[in-house]
Amino acid sequence: NAGVMQNPRHLVRRRGQEARLRCSPMKGHSHVYWYRQLPEEGLKFMVYLQKENIIDESGMPKERFSAEFPKEGPSILRIQQVVRGDSAAYFCASSPFTPQYSSYNEQFFGPGTRLTVL
Amino acid sequence: AQTVTQSQPEMSVQEAETVTLSCTYDTSESDYYLFWYKQPPSRQMILVIRQEAYKQQNATENRFSVNFQKAAKSFSLKISDSQLGDAAMYFCAYRRTSGTYKYIFGTGTRLKVLA
Repeated sequence: NAGVMQNPRHLVRRRGQEARLRCSPMKGHSHVYWYRQLPEEGLKFMVYLQKENIIDESGMPKERFSAEFPKEGPSILRIQQVVRGDSAAYFCASSPFTPQYSSYNEQFFGPGTRLTVL
Repeated sequence: AQTVTQSQPEMSVQEAETVTLSCTYDTSESDYYLFWYKQPPSRQMILVIRQEAYKQQNATENRFSVNFQKAAKSFSLKISDSQLGDAAMYFCAYRRTSGTYKYIFGTGTRLKVLA
């Protein structure tokens, strides 16, 4: 069973360009989370999606960032008009179950995409 | 809002010795989960150990164990018989049992293992 896959692993963009980061969850997982890790910091939650629905985007910057998880295909994190401050590692995690009170649902992390903005 | 604090930016341990990494958190919830993740230079996040808040017994996974003090909101990780492969960043994380299940991570502790 393949793990969470993210591509590309490394992405270089110039200021003002668009960045598209892809995440394929583990087989059978229908919940996806995106986290951002700035240099020398911990991971910070950005957005939580189920198929075709954004459930919680409280960690997403208000402008330039968007995320989707279509019925078919990978989840996409899109950053428009990138700036140097967007340089970070972006992690995707997936989980298998519909969250239920007091049931444990581990999130499985992908290897991350390191975005460098020149 | 929940917060997670790791007050040790860096720790060192001699190979085969024991080291304890500290983590405190703040929450008004009574039920939640706590985790320790390891991040080696490859950046892959690897789950080390997890603890359910309603369980009083401390979790143990081989050389890794936790000291969970619910009243003090403390969740430390003890690594016994440290190995060179344990060198990594270690992140403490909190997750509610309801809501959106997002993880809240601390800022991490860099562990160095000395041969």
